[in-house]
Amino acid sequence: DVKVTQSSRYLVKRTGEKVFLECVQDMDHENMFWYRQDPGLGLRLIYFSYDVKMKEKGDIPEGYSVSREKKERFSLILESASTNQTSMYLCASSPLRTASHSVQDTQYFGPGTRLTVL
Amino acid sequence: RKEVEQDPGPFNVPEGATVAFNCTYSNSASQSFFWYRQDCRKEPKLLMSVYSSGNEDGRFTAQLNRASQYISLLIRDSKLSDSATYLCVVNGHTNAGKSTFGDGTTLTVKP
Repeated sequence: DVKVTQSSRYLVKRTGEKVFLECVQDMDHENMFWYRQDPGLGLRLIYFSYDVKMKEKGDIPEGYSVSREKKERFSLILESASTNQTSMYLCASSPLRTASHSVQDTQYFGPGTRLTVL
Repeated sequence: RKEVEQDPGPFNVPEGATVAFNCTYSNSASQSFFWYRQDCRKEPKLLMSVYSSGNEDGRFTAQLNRASQYISLLIRDSKLSDSATYLCVVNGHTNAGKSTFGDGTTLTVKP
């Protein structure tokens, strides 16, 4: 079974604090993703990475950065947390796509971190 | 217009009912398609992939119409345990496997 773990289920931080959200997967997946999920807005992609030290901006990267120093670990960083970053943060991983196996696009999600910024 | 649009919910149905969800996508170059299920306060999990020929998994049937850029999910003989939010997911053509998620449709099955 693929396992994706996130460092915290619940986190409360103050405005202006630097926040680190950690994600680890144990299936040797190449791709890793960070999303936030908000009521009425669905899942929105913040950043993704398809290899160690590689990163790509998603749809809403502003206010966030990421780090992928090891294949199994993908970190999301809020440099200076703001109240509008209060959200559920979900990490996911997937294997590298091959031409004929689109089922490998399946993303496996961690349990999520509910972050509250006061 | 959103890249992936789903039926607005919620759907409230009695046990045993048949219910269908629809989803449209705007990028004709999309490569792969999925339905995920998300229970309340839980992470999304893959329900089933959607193939061009259509596919069935027990009470669940998924269909893809590339010409109309349309995906559907049919649930027959609904169970109480089917209550969840169903997310339509579309992947692009790049190797990174980036996905675009619909906002989801909430289903409540009542006794």
